[in-house]
Amino acid sequence: AQSVTQPDIHITVSEGASLELRCNYSYGATPYLFWYVQSPGQGLQLLLKYFSGDTLVQGIKGFEAEFKRSQSSFNLRKPSVHWSDAAEYFCAVAGAFNAGGTSYGKLTFGQGTILTVHP
Amino acid sequence: NAGVTQTPKFQVLKTGQSMTLQCAQDMNHNSMYWYRQDPGMGLRLIYYSASEGTTDKGEVPNGYNVSRLNKREFSLRLESAAPSQTSVYFCASRGGTSGGKRVETQYFGPGTRLLVL
Repeated sequence: AQSVTQPDIHITVSEGASLELRCNYSYGATPYLFWYVQSPGQGLQLLLKYFSGDTLVQGIKGFEAEFKRSQSSFNLRKPSVHWSDAAEYFCAVAGAFNAGGTSYGKLTFGQGTILTVHP
Repeated sequence: NAGVTQTPKFQVLKTGQSMTLQCAQDMNHNSMYWYRQDPGMGLRLIYYSASEGTTDKGEVPNGYNVSRLNKREFSLRLESAAPSQTSVYFCASRGGTSGGKRVETQYFGPGTRLLVL
């Protein structure tokens, strides 16, 4: 069964500092990986996704993530954090598809990492 | 193009009451999903619909039923609400293919906050 672990429940950084949020996944084949962000009281917004190809993917708002198959990781990074980045971040892995090609794309989420940004 | 919409935004129920959460998408997506979000547990899949006319259970289906009314709409029903169903409910949709390529990304609605007393 697929699973996602985000080891850090809560991270605090100063504005302007660099950021790395960790994500480890368990999946038997090449995974589809996602990072979503959720601001308080809001829905989930897609930051970036990895399907195949270049293992360093760029997303919105200056975020990037690197897929490392050997470490089963998909860590999210940002070189300089802004106060508006304070939110909860979710890593997710998409599951398998049936043989007929009709996909159901079961998405499994990590527990989330809450990011606090100090001025 | 509104994406995924959900109604209502907030709801308070008494134990034993029933209600239906509505979800609609205007992206012509085949697949739709219902999740619940609880603190420290991320999002958990309740039910999904791979395509119009089909529905299947996810991780936490007990106490819920769903209806895929048409390609656009996917509703979630609580027949007899319990305090354990207090949560934030998210609907999502996902396209199957686009130009011959799979479209794997799920797009989420704004959520329905439900309190069961």
